Amino acid sequence: GAGVSQSPRYKVTKRGQDVALRCDPISGHVSLYWYRQALGQGPEFLTYFNYEAQQDKSGLPNDRFSAERPEGSISTLTIQRTEQRDSAMYRCASSRTSGGAFTGELFFGEGSRLTVL
Amino acid sequence: TQLLEQSPQFLSIQEGENLTVYCNSSSVFSSLQWYRQEPGEGPVLLVTVVTGGEVKKLKRLTFQFGDARKDSSLHITAAQPGDTGLYLCAGGAETDSWGKLQFGAGTQVVVTP
Repeated sequence: GAGVSQSPRYKVTKRGQDVALRCDPISGHVSLYWYRQALGQGPEFLTYFNYEAQQDKSGLPNDRFSAERPEGSISTLTIQRTEQRDSAMYRCASSRTSGGAFTGELFFGEGSRLTVL
Repeated sequence: TQLLEQSPQFLSIQEGENLTVYCNSSSVFSSLQWYRQEPGEGPVLLVTVVTGGEVKKLKRLTFQFGDARKDSSLHITAAQPGDTGLYLCAGGAETDSWGKLQFGAGTQVVVTP
């Protein structure tokens, strides 16, 4: 498709289970970002990749969160041993350019709504 | 952590009225972007400002970046129902990749016919 695609759109899981959220960026986009958005708040940075290399993971809340982008395209955000506080909208965004001083445009996906019971 | 504070949190106006949304921080940003988000969708970029004092116009929307690059405003003239949405400002720190953005909590704008 033409836009950033995320799956699943909705995920309900029980506390303690692992979840994997997938992001398929716009074709050819170099950079891929993961953000988390709580209800009534703006997105919060989690991590980002240039091609397959994870450049910054300083926003990941703890070591239960990990992300990969093995072939420089599709990315997976994995949350192990989920907790209720992990419930949120997880948004992926991609951009044509890599990091650095140039200011470009982030294209956001529709998000994956995670609910941990 | 650089905090971006947006005000007001909520704004409800009649079609044809003007409105201004503010985004303030105590920190300097290398760039500042404004996004609009509609229910069930991701944020969509409206504008990027990078120079202190810069003013950009996008049809009925006027964006301004403060001289010190710590604050910004969005002004909408003669608002229309299609302007309804969550307006988010997002700043890029000088030491970070531009895409690592600090977002404000947003201003919900409702324009009624």
